[in-house]
This record gives sequence, C-alpha cells and structure tokens, in this order.
Amino acid sequence: GENVEQHPSTLSVQEGDSAVIKCTYSDSASNYFPWYKQELGKRPQLIIDIRSNVGEKKDQRIAVTLNKTAKHFSLHITETQPEDSAVYFCAAIGGSNYKLTFGKGTLLTVNP
Amino acid sequence: DAGVIQSPRHEVTEMGQEVTLRCKPISGHNSLFWYRQTMMRGLELLIYFNNNVPIDDSGMPEDRFSAKMPNASFSTLKIQPSEPRDSAVYFCASSFTFEGTNEKLFFGSGTQLSVL
Repeated sequence: GENVEQHPSTLSVQEGDSAVIKCTYSDSASNYFPWYKQELGKRPQLIIDIRSNVGEKKDQRIAVTLNKTAKHFSLHITETQPEDSAVYFCAAIGGSNYKLTFGKGTLLTVNP
Repeated sequence: DAGVIQSPRHEVTEMGQEVTLRCKPISGHNSLFWYRQTMMRGLELLIYFNNNVPIDDSGMPEDRFSAKMPNASFSTLKIQPSEPRDSAVYFCASSFTFEGTNEKLFFGSGTQLSVL
C-alpha cells in the first residue's frame, strides 16, 4: 500500500520567515495530494490540495509543489504569522483511489 | 451545512466497558471514514464506508472494534470491551465519491476517548 514520509517532524521559524515541509510517497499511481492543518485540540482542516496533472498551486501565502518523477511534494508558507502555528499533515491517495494515507505530521511553531 | 458531527466530544470510561462513538456525515456525502489519532501512530484509517457499505476494514485493530452505517446519515464505532490502549482521539470524516475517487475529506471535531 501507499507509504507517506513527512519531514521535518518539528519546525520553528521567526515571524515573517518562510516555512517548507516536504513529503514523499511510494505509490506511483497516487494522483491527489492534500495538505491539512490541525490546531491544538481541533480537527484537521484542508488548506490546499494538488492533483498529479499540475506541478504547482498557490493560494495567497501558501503554495504546494509536486514532482511526480521523484514522488515528492512540498508545502511552502511565506510571510509566516503566529496563527500559522499548528501541525501540518500531508496526504496522498494511492492506487485504490479511496484510501487517503497521511504523513506523521509537522509541528510548525512561528515565533513572534 | 453543520459539517461532520460527532458525539460525544469526550468520553471517559473504565477498562472493560463498552464505548459507542457516533457520527453524522455531511449531507450528500457518500463516503465515510473513521480515523484514530495518537501521538505515536498519527492518523490511522480504521474503516471506510461507501454508500453505507463497508469497503475496507483492514485498519480495525481487532475484533473488539466494530462499525456500522445503517443509513446515509449515521454511523457508529463501537469498542467492546475497551482497553487503556484504545485511548485516543477518534475522528469521523466524510467526502463525496465520483468515478471511484475520493477527494476533499472533511473531518468532524473528534471524540477524545480515555479508558482508565
């Protein structure tokens, strides 16, 4: 089945700096890659997603890039703010096309 | 839309007791998932329903766990008997499936289960 590796597990940045979180996946049939943000004690919420026919997608301060050949995708957050502090999860849908496999998460801390 | 609704938000029980978690998916969604979240194992898929039918229960830890979806607007996850190692946050999530592809997944608020 699909295996998703996520790095780093923790990331601390200064307010205004950029943050990058990277994920790799194993199933070359995977075609959908969402990113979820989970604040402490809250539910995971979808913040951005990308499909395998697109290399990059941007939404305000958040962007995601996908390299299908290398089977990795990344989340980029620019001009970070304290409210960006949360756990971020990457995920991939494998060949079964229904099973969303999550990475272990990255705890992002933005220091004011 | 109220989103995915789960109950209870918190459950504290003693080892050996039966626990029932409830979920109401978003109206119109035809796929429902139960996930378990722990620090050690992250988000684990327990079971997936499509059109009220269990499609994949390979993530259910053992026979103590069972899940049902009697209709499109309700699902339960039952643990009997419960054990301390079942302590975790249990999330229900739903999505709309077309042409065999599940995409945007919406999570409920979760049930924080503590088994003493």
